[in-house]
Amino acid sequence: DAGITQSPRHKVTETGTPVTLRCHQTENHRYMYWYRQDPGHGLRLIHYSYGVKDTDKGEVSDGYSVSRSKTEDFLLTLESATSSQTSVYFCAISESIGVSNQPQHFGDGTRLSIL
Amino acid sequence: QKEVEQNSGPLSVPEGAIASLNCTYSDRVSQSFFWYRQYSGKSPELIMSIYSNGDKEDGRFTAQLNKASQYVSLLIRDSQPSDSATYLCAVNEGGGADGLTFGKGTHLIIQP
Repeated sequence: DAGITQSPRHKVTETGTPVTLRCHQTENHRYMYWYRQDPGHGLRLIHYSYGVKDTDKGEVSDGYSVSRSKTEDFLLTLESATSSQTSVYFCAISESIGVSNQPQHFGDGTRLSIL
Repeated sequence: QKEVEQNSGPLSVPEGAIASLNCTYSDRVSQSFFWYRQYSGKSPELIMSIYSNGDKEDGRFTAQLNKASQYVSLLIRDSQPSDSATYLCAVNEGGGADGLTFGKGTHLIIQP
């Protein structure tokens, strides 16, 4: 299994509070991703990183920010959580890209509930 | 907007039979195609990747790609009850760091 650790695994919080999710990898992969998974929508890309301090927005980035200060850590922050951000969040990593991108491997996920 | 379409199912297949899962995609420049398996409450697990037209076999799994028809499929031979899961088709343009576009998944049930 790819060395990916997400923390926390479960979190319940209230609307309006800040929340930070952490993804830690031991594979030294350059590319890291945050997805959310919701019933009826499947997996959707929030933000991604292509190197230390290099990040970009995905399909559903509104209300989220990210940071990557080290190769191994990619943080996802909800500055002021809303109930619509209740979801399961997955981190993924990939070794390389090219004409044929290497597959992404996923962490175990964080189940986030915002009341 | 890039789209990946899958039949949501459930697709019910008898044990020992061949399960056939299908996926179509909208972005003609897509270059990388992946099948993931996801058990309930678990994370997606990579089963197959395919990049060229034709078939790619790995054990009981065969991925098929037809770029002209924008179609990718997954065949599971000798289906087992442990194959019961949701199968996600994912597509990437290739050459860039942006993430995968996923279908909503097909729920497969293998009947003992």
